[in-house]
Amino acid sequence: NAGVTQTPKFQVLKTGQSMTLQCAQDMNHEYMSWYRQDPGMGLRLIHYSVGAGITDQGEVPNGYNVSRSTTEDFPLRLLSAAPSQTSVYFCASSYSYQYSYEQYFGPGTRLTVT
Amino acid sequence: DAKTTQPPSMDCAEGRAANLPCNHSTISGNEYVYWYRQIHSQGPQYIIHGLKNNETNEMASLIITEDRKSSTLILPHATLRDTAVYYCIVKAAHGSSNTGKLIFGQGTTLQVKP
Repeated sequence: NAGVTQTPKFQVLKTGQSMTLQCAQDMNHEYMSWYRQDPGMGLRLIHYSVGAGITDQGEVPNGYNVSRSTTEDFPLRLLSAAPSQTSVYFCASSYSYQYSYEQYFGPGTRLTVT
Repeated sequence: DAKTTQPPSMDCAEGRAANLPCNHSTISGNEYVYWYRQIHSQGPQYIIHGLKNNETNEMASLIITEDRKSSTLILPHATLRDTAVYYCIVKAAHGSSNTGKLIFGQGTTLQVKP
């Protein structure tokens, strides 16, 4: 198993550009989520999905869109990048959001918006 | 989800046991204690979790007090590769309050020294 994979590893965008951060898992996990990590602020939940076709907002969803058309993939779209979105983005997955299953995290995407 | 309190930093000598404390005095009956760690620039990694009994796996042991208001993560023989930020997280494993969201606080930075 490759686990949770994220692409790209690094990205530089100009203000106003759009892009999609890719996340995929090969463990047939029901639950997937996106976090961002800023210095000194820990990880904050952006969006999450409890299954294909079902998504919901986390605590910092503004400026981001998600969709879940397959169990494996959970892309994160930045519609119009802003410098405030400079951060490290982590995708995570879990067998189920119910019960006590652990979550597996990807290696992260480091995004800089100039 | 209950709030947790951890010391900001700790040192440990290589080869010795590292004991990382966590207070969670407002924990509810259906909430589990999870431990994750984040090695520099990597995605968080699951370590262990428990409800009320002590737990052990290949990575660590988790000791939960009888009143469940605090816990200790034990790395039995710390190595330099265990240097990381350790997060104690309390989360309901099931029920309407469970969205799968992990609330990462500031954690404890463990420095293992030779």
